[in-house]
Amino acid sequence: QVQLVQSGAEVKMPGASVKVSCRTSGYSFISYDINWVRQATGQGLEWLGWMNPNSGNKVYAQKFRGRVTLTRDTSTNTAYLELSSLTSEDTAVYFCVRGGGHYDSNGQYSIPAFDYWGQGTPVTVAS
Amino acid sequence: DIQMTQSPSSLSASVGDRVTITCRASQDFANYLAWYQQRPGKVPHLLIYGASTLQSGVPSRFSGSGSGTDFTLTISNLQPEDVGTYYCQKYNSSPRTFGQGTKVELK
Repeated sequence: QVQLVQSGAEVKMPGASVKVSCRTSGYSFISYDINWVRQATGQGLEWLGWMNPNSGNKVYAQKFRGRVTLTRDTSTNTAYLELSSLTSEDTAVYFCVRGGGHYDSNGQYSIPAFDYWGQGTPVTVAS
Repeated sequence: DIQMTQSPSSLSASVGDRVTITCRASQDFANYLAWYQQRPGKVPHLLIYGASTLQSGVPSRFSGSGSGTDFTLTISNLQPEDVGTYYCQKYNSSPRTFGQGTKVELK
């Protein structure tokens, strides 16, 4: 079965960086985009960006450009989110999510919705 | 960028009621519109994609409709387990924006 398993909770000082991992299994990692979404306590869902694990192409939300870096390791089917220059406003649960782009075995491209979510990684920024 | 606006922001309904949530986009984006449910304390999960296609395993009391810039999620027979927050999202081109959410509570 498809699974996205994220790393554990993080507590960071303001100004620091955080790196969250998302280990995938049960499907072809390189065939689907991976997105990152965050949610502050009591707030809505905010999309940070996506990466194509095959090509390494990535797009970041305007708000986070310059602070966010998406990477991946195709040998371990793992995606990573790094967010730098943290402030208290970055305190949130961060989710990795599969969806938004898919290449099948024939190279045909489709656009699936966000169908599988990681369990979330709480990140707390506090001094 | 396309903005997604949901209404209402919250609603209260009784078990068995028909509930309607709307989502309006600031521009047309070819119906790559999804609806997600987030129960309290849980991870969001996909209900509907392509504006009207029910995700596998989702109860048939959920339905989606609309096209262009105006979309609707309907719950035809509200159940206690439907309590939570519902989000619409455009998921094709970037930014893959979510609506601000609609909180559904029981009377």
